[in-house]
Amino acid sequence: KNEVEQSPQNLTAQEGEFITINCSYSVGISALHWLQQHPGGGIVSLFMLSSGKKKHGRLIATINIQEKHSSLHITASHPRDSAVYICAVRMSAGGTSYGKLTFGQGTILTVHP
Amino acid sequence: DSGVTQTPKHLITATGQRVTLRCSPRSGDLSVYWYQQSLDQGLQFLIHYYNGEERAKGNILERFSAQQFPDLHSELNLSSLELGDSALYFCASSVRANSGNTIYFGEGSWLTVV
Repeated sequence: KNEVEQSPQNLTAQEGEFITINCSYSVGISALHWLQQHPGGGIVSLFMLSSGKKKHGRLIATINIQEKHSSLHITASHPRDSAVYICAVRMSAGGTSYGKLTFGQGTILTVHP
Repeated sequence: DSGVTQTPKHLITATGQRVTLRCSPRSGDLSVYWYQQSLDQGLQFLIHYYNGEERAKGNILERFSAQQFPDLHSELNLSSLELGDSALYFCASSVRANSGNTIYFGEGSWLTVV
């Protein structure tokens, strides 16, 4: 079993729909990242969370440390949101390396017009 | 544009060969991280350098090595290449080693071993 699990693996939506991607992890963490990877490969960091909730435009990320769970929500989805969304955690035992991340397998999101 | 520059963008080489991937971090960033993304293993952390010193190692093979130079650019050296080393190699940077700063990723270097 992977230490970081995402669901669903694939998600198809119609433009305008509200989307939720989930991430569960089995270890103690000090931070969780949500990343976006577009076709062609480039990765963009969307959020870094250690508690609570963050919002940026139509994107909202939440984390529940006690339940070891995070969600990424996209409101009013748009075809340009089509990408792979990856959850990554920095374990509490990661020492002094902030970038020593463990990644989920990614969620492929396709938004149709 | 993240400000992290990786070269080359694409590379095709034969088994047994050696290649060097280069990364220039964002201006002012002292930390450089290397990651590998392959079809079967997904994204994996390889190694972290901070201001020229190795800070952490992940699933990096002994055939692979890295270094960070005084000007803070970094190189990932892959030797005795095997077909399974074909992957997208990402470099990322951040300001400090263990701060809450965002990690910025480069566009990646696509390596194909034939």
